Amino acid sequence: GQQLNQSPQSMFIQEGEDVSMNCTSSSIFNTWLWYKQEPGEGPVLLIALYKAGELTSNGRLTAQFGITRKDSFLNISASIPSDVGIYFCAGQLSGGNQFYFGTGTSLTVIP
Amino acid sequence: KAGVTQTPRYLIKTRGQQVTLSCSPISGHRSVSWYQQTPGQGLQFLFEYFSETQRNKGNFPGRFSGRQFSNSRSEMNVSTLELGDSALYLCASSLDPGRSAFFGQGTRLTVV
Repeated sequence: GQQLNQSPQSMFIQEGEDVSMNCTSSSIFNTWLWYKQEPGEGPVLLIALYKAGELTSNGRLTAQFGITRKDSFLNISASIPSDVGIYFCAGQLSGGNQFYFGTGTSLTVIP
Repeated sequence: KAGVTQTPRYLIKTRGQQVTLSCSPISGHRSVSWYQQTPGQGLQFLFEYFSETQRNKGNFPGRFSGRQFSNSRSEMNVSTLELGDSALYLCASSLDPGRSAFFGQGTRLTVV
């Protein structure tokens, strides 16, 4: 199956700092999704991106669909303790229906 | 609108037994996908159902099966359980195949 590489694998940051993470693939995707998962819960959809170059915000979160269509980025501004969790990217190939998931970025926010 | 509902939330089974997990999608959603999540392998796609038909299948053995009912509710079954089947099983629903998927809370299966 498709391999989505997420980086960094984990992050430890101070409350108030901005966060950046990304997801890359060797294939061209036509949809990127970003999810957040907290312990014991299912992933929650944060942002969906549908075309190259698209920049979409959801509160303090901003995600971008890379121009090459092989990557996507998620930024969190002014982090707060409740941002803690694992962030997953998911991509969908052109002409396909299945979503492929990245390995996740674990975020820890230190108050 | 109610979210995706998975039952049960937790389950403990013995090796060799079989198990059935249930998923009720968001009202109006017709596509249901199942994933297995483990610390080592991350989120692995099991299968997708739409209109009571399996449309896609991941790379899992035949012990893993599923079905979808006419009301879009779905079940997955794992037979002859192995210790390695211990995982969080997640169901996701979407309006149609390929649309943004919304996850349930998952069923935590422990095989002892």
